[in-house]
Order: sequence, then C-alpha cells, then structure tokens
Amino acid sequence: AQKVTQAQTEISVVEKEDVTLDCVYETRDTTYYLFWYKQPPSGELVFLIRRNSFDEQNEISGRYSWNFQKSTSSFNFTITASQVVDSAVYFCALSEARGATNKLIFGTGTLLAVQP
Amino acid sequence: GAGVSQSPSNKVTEKGKDVELRCDPISGHTALYWYRQSLGQGLEFLIYFQGNSAPDKSGLPSDRFSAERTGGSVSTLTIQRTQQEDSAVYLCASSLVGGTGLSLTDTQYFGPGTRLTVL
Repeated sequence: AQKVTQAQTEISVVEKEDVTLDCVYETRDTTYYLFWYKQPPSGELVFLIRRNSFDEQNEISGRYSWNFQKSTSSFNFTITASQVVDSAVYFCALSEARGATNKLIFGTGTLLAVQP
Repeated sequence: GAGVSQSPSNKVTEKGKDVELRCDPISGHTALYWYRQSLGQGLEFLIYFQGNSAPDKSGLPSDRFSAERTGGSVSTLTIQRTQQEDSAVYLCASSLVGGTGLSLTDTQYFGPGTRLTVL
C-alpha cells in the first residue's frame, strides 16, 4: 500500500532561520513520483516540485532545496533563510506511475509558521 | 494562460439537498481529478478522468457522489442528499497528460477549491 508520512504537524521558526520539513513514503512500486505542494492561507495548492524515482539528485531552487534518499524512503524539503511569506501548510505527495490513475497520495501536511 | 477554475467558491446548503460543483481545467489538459480536503480525512482522491476513457471512480465515498466531464473539458461533481460529513473543500486538478509509465505522468495543477458547508 502507498503511504506518505509527515510526522511534523506544526513547526514554528523565526524569520531567517533554516527549516527542514520531513517526508517519508511507502510504496511497493519501483517507478513513482514524489511531489511537494504549498497551501498558503488563501487555500490554493501550489505545485513546488516533482521528482521521479530514478532521479536521486538533490535539487535547489532559490531558497528551496530537496533531498531525495531512496535508501530511507525520504524526500525532505529545506527552506533556507525563511521568510514570513513561507508561512503555509506544506504537503508531500506520492504518485505511482505504473497505475492507470496517477492519483496523488498526500501526507497530512506540515504547518509552517514563520514569525517576524 | 488561465489556471484551473472552480465554482462556486463557497456553497452552503441544507442537509438532504443536492449540490453541483464545477471545475474548468487548464485548456489542453486531458486529465482531470477531484479531491476532497477535510479536517478528519486530510486530502483524499475522489475521481479521475482521462480523455475518453472510463473514469476511475474508486475514491468516491458513496453512491451519493457522482461526476461527469463533458466534451473532455468542464467537469461537474454532484453530491445528492448531502450530509453534514460531506462538508469539506472540494479541489479539482488537471494535468497535461495522465496515464501509465514514467514518461506520461505529469504534474497536477490545482484550482482554488469549493468550500462546501452542509448545515
């Protein structure tokens, strides 16, 4: 069965601190996608990144970076020098590419509060 | 171009009434998904449409829920005889290509959602 676990329910940091959001997944498939989405207070889910199971290279985009480790089934997300605008709920999700439906299996989300 | 749009943004209804929620996917996107976000259940998949293929309805919680997609574009999610536990935010997403295989899986882009409150 597929499952995504985000053990951190809520994190509070002060602006300019670095913060890492953890994501651990379970799947029996060898081919799959992992995603991170951001949900700001406005409510809309905003796509941040997609990573396929054959690409374990870490990725950096501005202040955001992602660490994908198949050995530990983890896909962690780090925000460097956090800002108040980063305050949101962040969801990690899994999609199994082999399935006929590429539905997303979401974690329960991590609420990040960045204090000024 | 325009993103995924949904209407209405908010819907308040009385228990037992039927409701219709609408989704306009990104132009050219062939795959369309409905999800539900509620406090107790988190984000959960409801139904998936891809081109002219039969939809995957495996996530629909009961036979009171149905959805259709007309002309391969706009989709309507219908909830009959609403119950209080149907209260949630209903999210629609679309992707350029949906299907099997690593090369076909694409990114789902979400609309702003419809907040449904059943009194």
